Amino acid sequence: AQKVTQAQTEISVVEKEDVTLDCVYETRDTTYYLFWYKQPPSGELVFLIRRNSFDEQNEISGRYSWNFQKSTSSFNFTITASQVVDSAVYFCALMQRQAGTALIFGKGTTLSVSS
Amino acid sequence: DGGITQSPKYLFRKEGQNVTLSCEQNLNHDAMYWYRQDPGQGLRLIYYSQIVNDFQKGDIAEGYSVSREKKESFPLTVTSAQKNPTAFYLCASSIARGDEQFFGPGTRLTVL
Repeated sequence: AQKVTQAQTEISVVEKEDVTLDCVYETRDTTYYLFWYKQPPSGELVFLIRRNSFDEQNEISGRYSWNFQKSTSSFNFTITASQVVDSAVYFCALMQRQAGTALIFGKGTTLSVSS
Repeated sequence: DGGITQSPKYLFRKEGQNVTLSCEQNLNHDAMYWYRQDPGQGLRLIYYSQIVNDFQKGDIAEGYSVSREKKESFPLTVTSAQKNPTAFYLCASSIARGDEQFFGPGTRLTVL
């Protein structure tokens, strides 16, 4: 079975705090992709990152960083020095290479950043 | 500007009516997708199409239909057979199967 679990339903932080959004996935495939998307109040999903299962290097993009650990089947997302504009729903998703099409989404984590 | 457009943004339907949601992309992407999002839930795949004149059912295709007559267009019809159609519908596209998907702004459908 394939599944993505985002255990944190809602997180509230104050501006400039660091925050980590957790993502745990389940898959039997050895080849797969992991994604993070941001959904601001407007509703449109914004692509943030794609990671393939063979690349466990952590990635940093500005204030965003991702920690991929196959040993724990986790793909966590950290926002450093959070800002009000980071307030959104964040989705982690899994795509199996053999299926090659469907994104399996977690239920999302709602992040609220207050000033 | 390249992107994905969906229309209308808001749609109201009476019970028993069919309604069609539009999705157009000018990204020259081969693959297109329709997802449904319910409050507090992740997205679930309704239908997808990898090439023109071909499409496949996703996890929740019952009560929906699609067509793919042109590369840039992938309309979704919500039929009267869909028992609980009130939801937020998102269209996406990708260069090819397996690549990252880019999403349109969504259509919020409400059944009155």
